Amino acid sequence: DAGVIQSPRHEVTEMGQEVTLRCKPISGHNSLFWYRQTMMRGLELLIYFNNNVPIDDSGMPEDRFSAKMPNASFSTLKIQPSEPRDSAVYFCASSPQAVTYGYTFGSGTRLTVV
Amino acid sequence: GESVGLHLPTLSVQEGDNSIINCAYSNSASDYFIWYKQESGKGPQFIIDIRSNMDKRQGQRVTVLLNKTVKHLSLQIAATQPGDSAVYFCAENQAGTALIFGKGTTLSVSS
Repeated sequence: DAGVIQSPRHEVTEMGQEVTLRCKPISGHNSLFWYRQTMMRGLELLIYFNNNVPIDDSGMPEDRFSAKMPNASFSTLKIQPSEPRDSAVYFCASSPQAVTYGYTFGSGTRLTVV
Repeated sequence: GESVGLHLPTLSVQEGDNSIINCAYSNSASDYFIWYKQESGKGPQFIIDIRSNMDKRQGQRVTVLLNKTVKHLSLQIAATQPGDSAVYFCAENQAGTALIFGKGTTLSVSS
């Protein structure tokens, strides 16, 4: 099993540009989570999906952020337009069920907005 | 609001010592708790979990203790090794919600 796969590993972009982060969950896992990690705020839940349906997006900072899960094997997190304060490490995680199981995390995407 | 927190941001121990990392949670409705380990440049890695109907669970060199009365969670690492150096997070949730993470404790092991 290749685990949760995220791409790109690193992204440097200019303020105002669109950024798309990608995630492939573990096959058979039906829950997918996007987290953001910063020194100041730690690991914050942005959104999670169960069976490709968004369940809780209350952590999405603002309308500049959007997430999709078109099928069970792929999800994207898009930021448009990006701002310097969006700089962080973004993690995707998946789980066999929505809750009460440990999540498997990907290696993350380090985003730098200049 | 509800939060999960840790008592100490850093912990330094000698190789071979036992380590204890503590965590306090505020949501009395939480029924599932997990400890994660995060090494530099990597995603959090599952260590051990415990459900609210238990007060102790043991793994390989690790033990998690849950005290629901005072809403306290701890991770004990026996015979700490340099490879245990990392940031440790506790996380909790209740049915229908996603995991909420604390801010982490950095464990430094010197040989």
